[in-house]
Formats: sequence, structure tokens, C-alpha cells
Amino acid sequence: SQQGEEDPQALSIQEGENATMNCSYKTSINNLQWYRQNSGRGLVHLILIRSNEREKHSGRLRVTLDTSKKSSSLLITASRAADTASYFCATADNTDKLIFGTGTRLQVFP
Amino acid sequence: EPEVTQTPSHQVTQMGQEVILRCVPISNHLYFYWYRQILGQKVEFLVSFYNNEISEKSEIFDDQFSVERPDGSNFTLKIRSTKLEDSAMYFCAIRGAFNQPQHFGDGTRLSIL
Repeated sequence: SQQGEEDPQALSIQEGENATMNCSYKTSINNLQWYRQNSGRGLVHLILIRSNEREKHSGRLRVTLDTSKKSSSLLITASRAADTASYFCATADNTDKLIFGTGTRLQVFP
Repeated sequence: EPEVTQTPSHQVTQMGQEVILRCVPISNHLYFYWYRQILGQKVEFLVSFYNNEISEKSEIFDDQFSVERPDGSNFTLKIRSTKLEDSAMYFCAIRGAFNQPQHFGDGTRLSIL
């Protein structure tokens, strides 16, 4: 079974619009992290939210965590063409290894 | 600027050959990880390394894989006898304290011919 599943798999929006991506997971976690990956490049850490936190903000990013539903969402406000990338959630349990989701491909059109 | 540098950025190797992928953190860290991403698939955990020994490994990390920190700085992943299915992007990651983010390098693209 998949630990992390993001939806939608792909999202296309215009610059200035907001983008929302969701992530669901199955097991207990210590934290959940969101990463961005430009095509063929490395993973850039965006934000970490711990299991006892419900919401975090970083610039234009807003992350929520609902441990009762085992789900998280990433909101990017006022999107820019430079936000075009794949976005992954990754969960960390007591063993500390990250289990990644399948990712959402975001395309922001100028 | 990534907190960890990986070399080489791209490695092309004949099947059956040995490869060594290298990872150099910018500052001292205690926790090291290797992950891989086969083209078009999700990122998969391979191994975690703490205090100079493996703390956890996945079922992908079989006997052909090994890791070490030979000089206390470089962190290496060795694949002894490469197979076609080893072709992937390999990422090194580092972490500070527990429950802190893992920071990834830019990866090494390994192509097995």
C-alpha cells in the first residue's frame, strides 16, 4: 500500500491563482515534509510540520496537517511561473526515514 | 545553495561495473541518507547512517550496496556490480537534530548501459 498519495497528480493554473495540493498517508508520523523538484533536479525542502502542529506558514506557502484524517495540504498563494515544478509530501515516523508520495506536477502559465 | 554536494552529477557505467557515488556535507552532520528515484517514479529510501553505522536499510539495499564515511567527511554509496535496473537518480540527504528537515543534494544521475 502507498504511504503517501498526493492529489491531484497534475495541476495547471494561471499566474496569480492559488494552487492547492493534498497528501494522504496511512501510518503514524512524527512529521510531514513538503519538497519541490524541478525537472531532473534535486529536492528542495519547503516546509516541515510536526505531528502536534496543525498549520504552518512560510512566505506564500501554507501547510495544514490533520492527523485524525491522516492528510495534509499545501497551498501556494499568488502563484508564479517559477513555481512550476513537482511537489512531494514525505512522512517521517520513529525510524526517521522519509516515505515519499507520488507527487503533484504543477504548471503555472504566465 | 544545497547543504550537501554530490559528485559526480552524471555517471555512465557498463553493466557489471562498480560505481561509487559521493556526498559531501557543507557542515558537520550526524545523520546521512541515500535515496533513489527511478525515472518517472517516486523517491525511495535506501539507507540511513548514523554514528558511522547503518541504522536502517530498505529491501532495495541488498548485498551489492554498501555505504561508508571513509574520512569522516565524504559519505559514499557503492554499488558493486551494477544492473540495468540500478539506473536512477541517487540523492544524498543530511539531517541535524531529530524531527528536523532532511536536506537533499542535487543528485547523481546513474545510467547503466
